Amino acid sequence: GAVVSQHPSRVICKSGTSVKIECRSLDFQATTMFWYRQFPKQSLMLMATSNEGSKATYEQGVEKDKFLINHASLTLSTLTVTSAHPEDSSFYICSVSGLQETQYFGPGTRLLVL
Amino acid sequence: GQNIDQPTEMTATEGAIVQINCTYQTSGFNGLFWYQQHAGEAPTFLSYNVLDGLEEKGRFSSFLSRSKGYSYLLLKELQMKDSASYLCAVRDDYKLSFGAGTTVTVRA
Repeated sequence: GAVVSQHPSRVICKSGTSVKIECRSLDFQATTMFWYRQFPKQSLMLMATSNEGSKATYEQGVEKDKFLINHASLTLSTLTVTSAHPEDSSFYICSVSGLQETQYFGPGTRLLVL
Repeated sequence: GQNIDQPTEMTATEGAIVQINCTYQTSGFNGLFWYQQHAGEAPTFLSYNVLDGLEEKGRFSSFLSRSKGYSYLLLKELQMKDSASYLCAVRDDYKLSFGAGTTVTVRA
């Protein structure tokens, strides 16, 4: 399967600041990457589909101006949480599609907004 | 819309077998996936079914019946390290929708 990395693995920030999370596909050129969010004891919820060279597709209820996605190359997608607030504290996970459309996940980024 | 149901929790003894059921009602179907997720970690891929029948992979097997909207994941010879959450996910035209996950606890 595809190998996916994320950075940082954990971040703590003050309310009102912006946080950038990087997702890298290390061994696979990914034209599409996916961003998920997972709150404690809940399942993964798709936030947006990141498309290389074009605008991301956001799921209903996800604010595109708050969660900025940039997919500038076939191996890197970034998610920026702008003006983060405590309710944005969550586990953010990216994935890439591999063989048979199987999605392979990065290790996740745990965000805590104080 | 998507509706994916699986039990919340299951407990089993080391060495035993556990079957996790998943039922789904989705607007489209292009495959069903099972993932394992340990606490605080990202999901890891276990199995993929797109045709009816059983797929076996070592101690883990997954079954699919598309006409019934039903799948199960079978874990054999349970080990302590199998304690985790197991997520059923259905792919429609372009995205994966996940069930809430089944937390399996393996006891000695």
